[in-house]
Amino acid sequence: QLVLTQSPSASASLGASVKLTCTLSSGHSSYAIAWHQQQPEKGPRYLMNLNSDGSHTKGDGIPNRFSGSSSGAERYLTISSLQSEDEADYYCQTWDTGIQVFGGGTKLTVL
Amino acid sequence: QLQLQESGPGLVKPSETLSLTCTVSGGSISSSNYYWGWIRQPPRKGLEWIGSIYYSESTFYNPSLKSRVTISVDTSKNQFSLKLSSVTAADAALYYCARGDKGGYTYGGPLSYWGQGTLVTVSS
Repeated sequence: QLVLTQSPSASASLGASVKLTCTLSSGHSSYAIAWHQQQPEKGPRYLMNLNSDGSHTKGDGIPNRFSGSSSGAERYLTISSLQSEDEADYYCQTWDTGIQVFGGGTKLTVL
Repeated sequence: QLQLQESGPGLVKPSETLSLTCTVSGGSISSSNYYWGWIRQPPRKGLEWIGSIYYSESTFYNPSLKSRVTISVDTSKNQFSLKLSSVTAADAALYYCARGDKGGYTYGGPLSYWGQGTLVTVSS
C-alpha cells in the first residue's frame, strides 16, 4: 500500500535552515512526490515536484530558498534563511495509476 | 494566470448530496496535459484526496469514498463538479479543487494549482 509518512512537527530559528522529510512506503522508493505549503488560514500552495534522483521542478514564484533532495525512499524539503512566513504546514503528495496520496503533514514553527 | 474557484452550498443536511463546482479561468479544462481533482480538509486535520478526472473523462476515486462520489466535467463552461451522496457530519470540511500536471504520466502528477477552498457544514 502506498503511504507517505511525515513527522507531525518541526521547528527552527529565524534565518536558519530546516530539512523536512517525507518517507515513501516499502516498495515505492522510486516514486516522485510533490511538496505543498499551507500557511495559516490559507489554501495549499504547490512548491515543487521532486523525483527519486533529487531533480526537482519548482512552482511559479517559489523562492530559491526552497529546494528538494532525495535519498532512497526519503524525500526532503530544505528551506534556508527561514522567514516568519515560512511558518506553515507542509504536505507531501504522490500518485500511483490515478490514485493520489497525501502525507499527514508537518507543522513547521519558526522560532 | 490560472485560477480555480469553488462554489456551492455551504450547508448540507445529513443524508443529502453535497454538490460543488470548480470554475477554471486563465486556461482550458480540455487540455490533455492536465487533470482535475477534488481534495478536502476536515477542521484541524490534513488533506484527503477525493478524486480526479482526466481529459479522456477517466475518473479515479478515493477507495474510502468511491461508492458515494461522482466527478464530472463541463467543457462548455470550463468547469468540473463534485457530487458526494449520503453525507454525514464526517464530511464537513474545506473542499478544494486543483489542477494536476500529468507531465509524462498517463495518470497522476503533482497538483500544481489550487483553489482557495470552500467550507461545507453538514447539519440539519
